[in-house]
Amino acid sequence: GIQVEQSPPDLILQEGANSTLRCNFSDSVNNLQWFHQNPWGQLINLFYIPSGTKQNGRLSATTVATERYSLLYISSSQTTDSGVYFCAVDGATDKLIFGTGTRLQVFP
Amino acid sequence: EPEVTQTPSHQVTQMGQEVILRCVPISNHLYFYWYRQILGQKVEFLVSFYNNEISEKSEIFDDQFSVERPDGSNFTLKIRSTKLEDSAMYFCASSITTSGSYNEQFFGPGTRLTVL
Repeated sequence: GIQVEQSPPDLILQEGANSTLRCNFSDSVNNLQWFHQNPWGQLINLFYIPSGTKQNGRLSATTVATERYSLLYISSSQTTDSGVYFCAVDGATDKLIFGTGTRLQVFP
Repeated sequence: EPEVTQTPSHQVTQMGQEVILRCVPISNHLYFYWYRQILGQKVEFLVSFYNNEISEKSEIFDDQFSVERPDGSNFTLKIRSTKLEDSAMYFCASSITTSGSYNEQFFGPGTRLTVL
């Protein structure tokens, strides 16, 4: 099956800093989503981005499908950005395969 | 904005008991999913459901698990005889279409199941 790897596993930032999270996947995909898991455990949809670039406020994402990676950019980070960021993909089936996540901690 | 809802938010049960986790998917969505996340680990697919039948299931989804859409709005996951290792956060998700076209999955807030 498709393998999904995320890096870095942990990231510690000061408020106001920028960061880049990476997601590599081992095969072509039909769907790629980025999620933020908040401290209460909820999975918040950030982007649906099987290819191309999208922006939403301080967050943006780019997926280069031909090279099998996606990047999530967080600019001017805030303490509320803390949590775990997951990338998830699907191949030819319905199921999403999640990466192991990047744990982000933002300190004031 | 439409959202997936789940009840209860937290369920505590004794080993061997049956539990039913409930979900209300987004109303115009046709594809429904259950995932679980053991504490500190990644989210894992359990089962997908379309047109009143299972379309795919993982190895985790053994005979003790079942899913049902008892009416036009609810989607349930039943665990017949819970084990300690079933303790996890269970997420319901729905999408309007399936793989190959726009198939963004939207997740509910989760049910935290604790088996004692």
